[in-house]
Parts: sequence; structure tokens; C-alpha cells
Amino acid sequence: AQSVTQLDSQVPVFEEAPVELRCNYSSSVSVYLFWYVQYPNQGLQLLLKYLSGSTLVKGINGFEAEFNKSQTSFHLRKPSVHISDTAEYFCAVSAIQGAQKLVFGQGTRLTINP
Amino acid sequence: DAMVIQNPRYQVTQFGKPVTLSCSQTLNHNVMYWYQQKSSQAPKLLFHYYDKDFNNEADTPDNFQSRRPNTSFCFLDIRSPGLGDAAMYLCATSSLAYNEQFFGPGTRLTVL
Repeated sequence: AQSVTQLDSQVPVFEEAPVELRCNYSSSVSVYLFWYVQYPNQGLQLLLKYLSGSTLVKGINGFEAEFNKSQTSFHLRKPSVHISDTAEYFCAVSAIQGAQKLVFGQGTRLTINP
Repeated sequence: DAMVIQNPRYQVTQFGKPVTLSCSQTLNHNVMYWYQQKSSQAPKLLFHYYDKDFNNEADTPDNFQSRRPNTSFCFLDIRSPGLGDAAMYLCATSSLAYNEQFFGPGTRLTVL
């Protein structure tokens, strides 16, 4: 079984400041890792994913994440945030084998202040 | 554009009155999922279809059923909604070739 822990439930940041959203996972099998963003009353949109290869993954909207196998982490970063980045962010994992069922963290509410 | 469509976007039902939520896809993906997301919580998988094979999560209540009549459509039936079933219901699809899930916009269910 897999589990995901997002270490911060809320992160307030000023506009144009850098941000890091932290994610740690636990799994007895190899996993794929994902970050999704959810705007109010919307579905989930994929920001980026790690499947294999380079541990630094670049996604949409200027986000990137780094996979650290030894620390079982997959933190999300952006060097300069905008008001439009205000949303809920979910880290998720799925086992490489099988039906790709996603296990989500509890989410981090990112609030950008002007 | 290829996409995942959910209808309706907002659904209001009465306590105990059966309700059906709809999901359709133009991606031709063979796997379809239903998630329940309660307020300020993470999405929780209810069940998924791999082609026509139905797979129920162990803790999904019997009150929730699903149908997939063809590749494009999948339905979520709630036989007797309770107040605790009020949530956003998310449909997603995937193809094993892509290693990611594509989500619809969700249906927000209110139970009165």
C-alpha cells in the first residue's frame, strides 16, 4: 500500500516570491509521482509527473519538482508565484504495476497575497 | 478537443432519493475511475473499470454502484443518498500507455 503526506495544509506567500510545497510518500513498491492542481469547483489538472529518468521534472505554469528517492520526497517549487496560482495542490502516487490507482495527499492550500 | 465530460455540474437531490451522475470521454481510454471528494479533503477512489471489468474499493459503501455500458460512458448511481454523501464526484480516465489520469470538471452533489 501507498501513503502520501503533504507537510503543510496551508501556505501563504506574497506575489513574486518563491514557493515550495512539500510532499513525502511511503510505498513498498515502485511508484510514479504526480502533482495536481485544483481551482475552486473544478476538477484536477496535472501539473507534472515523475515516471523515470531525470529527477528534476518541469511542468506547466512554471512549476517544477524534484524526486528524491532516499528521502522519499517529491517537493514542488516555483521561483516566482502569481495571484493566479492560488489553488489547492495535491501530491499523488500510483504503483507502477496495476491499474494506476492514485493515492492522494491531503492537499496544500496555496494562497498568494498581493 | 479530447476530454472528460461530467453532467450535470451541480446536482441537488433529496435524502434517500436515488441519483445518477454521468461521465463521458472522447479519449478512448480503457480505464475509468470515480472519486469522491468531500469538502477540504483529498479525492478518494470509489471504484474503477478496466474495460468492462469492475473493481470496487474495499471501503466503498454498498450504496454506491456504477455502470459502464460502453467505452465512452460511465455512470455513478447512489441508491439512497444520505447527508454524508454530499461531495464533489470526480470522474477520471487513463490509458496504460500514458501513465496519468485525466479528470473531468466534477459534479457537486448536494443532499437536502
